[in-house]
Amino acid sequence: QQPVQSPQAVILREGEDAVINCSSSKALYSVHWYRQKHGEAPVFLMILLKGGEQMRHEKISASFNEKKQQSSLYLTASQLSYSGTYFCGLRSGAGSYQLTFGKGTKLSVIP
Amino acid sequence: KAGVTQTPRYLIKTRGQQVTLSCSPISGHRSVSWYQQTPGQGLQFLFEYFSETQRNKGNFPGRFSGRQFSNSRSEMNVSTLELGDSALYLCASSHPDSSGNTIYFGEGSWLTVV
Repeated sequence: QQPVQSPQAVILREGEDAVINCSSSKALYSVHWYRQKHGEAPVFLMILLKGGEQMRHEKISASFNEKKQQSSLYLTASQLSYSGTYFCGLRSGAGSYQLTFGKGTKLSVIP
Repeated sequence: KAGVTQTPRYLIKTRGQQVTLSCSPISGHRSVSWYQQTPGQGLQFLFEYFSETQRNKGNFPGRFSGRQFSNSRSEMNVSTLELGDSALYLCASSHPDSSGNTIYFGEGSWLTVV
């Protein structure tokens, strides 16, 4: 079942912070975050494993709440380069060979 | 290290035709998966291959097929094209030892069916 991402879209000014949430109704093994710019391929940001630690990529960090089956992506002091659509992809088990993606959150950072 | 390479990047086909898309994974990656991306449905899993064997298949009709060669390169084929098959087709590869089976996408093949 497709994870639910919120918000669907957000506009930030440079330097502002944002949080993107990804929720699932199924138990999760891992959560994968990607950013896609218009006309380009999704780029891997980070992965969070069940029982693992919070991860960080530059000024972007993420957490994984196993009990709530939810992951959050935190963008701190946003930069223009952060603009794009953020997708979370979920893997339900270690032996699962597919990622089920949310519909994405469109982030626009303006000067 | 070269990334995932997909060819062709852009193509236009007519309804009823078939198309073959090619993917070369990152060197050393033996798993290749394919995704379809459309504005309405988002990223949807098509199938995944490892060592020339299909390990998993998404909920797509039999017109969508794929295969993997001994050098890990993969192809996907769509037969009897429909207008709704217009989409960005993304190939992704992963290393068997990667934590959580992280996948890395190629730039995709843009298919337009007219």
